Amino acid sequence: DTGVSQDPRHKITKRGQNVTFRCDPISEHNRLYWYRQTLGQGPEFLTYFQNEAQLEKSRLLSDRFSAERPKGSFSTLEIQRTEQGDSAMYLCASSLGLNRDFDPYEQYFGPGTRLTVT
Amino acid sequence: GIQVEQSPPDLILQEGANSTLRCNFSDSVNNLQWFHQNPWGQLINLFYIPSGTKQNGRLSATTVATERYSLLYISSSQTTDSGVYFCAVEDYQLIWGAGTKLIIKP
Repeated sequence: DTGVSQDPRHKITKRGQNVTFRCDPISEHNRLYWYRQTLGQGPEFLTYFQNEAQLEKSRLLSDRFSAERPKGSFSTLEIQRTEQGDSAMYLCASSLGLNRDFDPYEQYFGPGTRLTVT
Repeated sequence: GIQVEQSPPDLILQEGANSTLRCNFSDSVNNLQWFHQNPWGQLINLFYIPSGTKQNGRLSATTVATERYSLLYISSSQTTDSGVYFCAVEDYQLIWGAGTKLIIKP
């Protein structure tokens, strides 16, 4: 069990550019979550997947954001036409989540990708 | 939606002191987790505790689900305990408090 990994750890980009982040969950975990955290705040939910299905999206996830988990393993989060307000830490988490029914499972977090938009 | 409040927002203690952090939530929940966020931003799982009491070394936690609160106890604080402590409750996603920033002085 190598834990949740994220790549890259840091990204600096210019306003208007597109960026893509990757998350590799714990191997036997079926649920994968994306959160965003700004300085001095707790994380905020963005979206989550049960296997390859994206089951919920926050209203924070504007149409410039898209997330995929094509084979139910790793996930990518893309931000198009980045804005300075997108600067934040993007956190990925995974949990066991055996089925689509809501059963709570402990979530485990990766180290995050820190995005700075200049 | 569910509201999560943590107190105190900031806490400064000398090494060796004990502390109690509180988390109140506004509705019944299926899951509650405590995390420690280190200075590099990594969230470290402390407890998964929807109800009852758990202990892990110098840390322990109690959740009283019927009264909608949870407490995190840290005994004999060490400088490595410094960081931000978050409580989060699950409503298919985790809903987070604003955290308690803990500074342990040597």
